[in-house]
Amino acid sequence: EVQLVESGGGLVQPGGSLRLSCAVSGFDFSSYWMDWVRQAPGKGLVWVSQISGDGSSTSYADSVKGRFTISRDNAKKTLHLQMNSLRAEDTAVYYCARGGFPFAVDVWGQGTTVTVSS
Amino acid sequence: QSALTQPPSASGSPGQSVTISCTGTSSDVGGYNSVSWYQQHPGKAPKLMIYEVSKRPSGVPDRFSGSKSGNTASLTVSGLQAEDEADYYCSSYTGSNNYVFGTGTKVTVL
Repeated sequence: EVQLVESGGGLVQPGGSLRLSCAVSGFDFSSYWMDWVRQAPGKGLVWVSQISGDGSSTSYADSVKGRFTISRDNAKKTLHLQMNSLRAEDTAVYYCARGGFPFAVDVWGQGTTVTVSS
Repeated sequence: QSALTQPPSASGSPGQSVTISCTGTSSDVGGYNSVSWYQQHPGKAPKLMIYEVSKRPSGVPDRFSGSKSGNTASLTVSGLQAEDEADYYCSSYTGSNNYVFGTGTKVTVL
C-alpha cells in the first residue's frame, strides 16, 4: 500500500524553525517528484515546494523562497522541509504529496500541523 | 503568483450536473495543458480527480470531467451524488516547476 506519513509539526514562536518529515512506503520513492502543499485553517490549498526524484531540482513558492528548504533522502525514503524564519502566516496543515502524474500529485499524506505563535 | 479564481460555491440536486470554473491567465491555465482538479472532504486530505485538463486517474468515476477554453478551465460533475459534496480545487503549472492552486469551490448537494 502506498503511504505518506508526515511528522515534525508543532507550536513554534515567530522567527523560529521547524523541520518537517514525510516517510513514504509502497512505491519506488526515488522515481517520483515530491511536493509540499499547505492549508491555513479554514483556507484553501497553497503549493509550497517541489523536488525532483534525484533531488537535483527544487522550486519554491515566492512566499517561502529563501526561508524554506526542501530535501530528500532516497535511501531512507524520506522527504523533508526545513522551515526557518517562521511567520504567523506560515500557520497551516502541511501535506506531502507524490507527483504521480504530469503536473499533478496523486497521493497525499494526512498532514502535519504547524502553528506559529508567541 | 496569484491564486486561480473559482466561484466560492456551487450546488445542485442529486442527479443533476454542476460545473465549476477556474480562471487564470495566459501564464498558467492558458499557457499549459496542465490543469488538475482535487476533491477535499472536511478534515481529509485532497484527492486527485482530473489531471492534464481532462484525464481521470484510475478509480475516479466518469461522472467527473474536465475541459479548458483559453484561460478558463472547468470541472463538471454529472449525476450528482451525496458523496460529491466537498470542496474542489483546481491547480495549474505556471512554468519553472512552479504551481498555483485555485481559491476553492464548496459544492453542496441539495
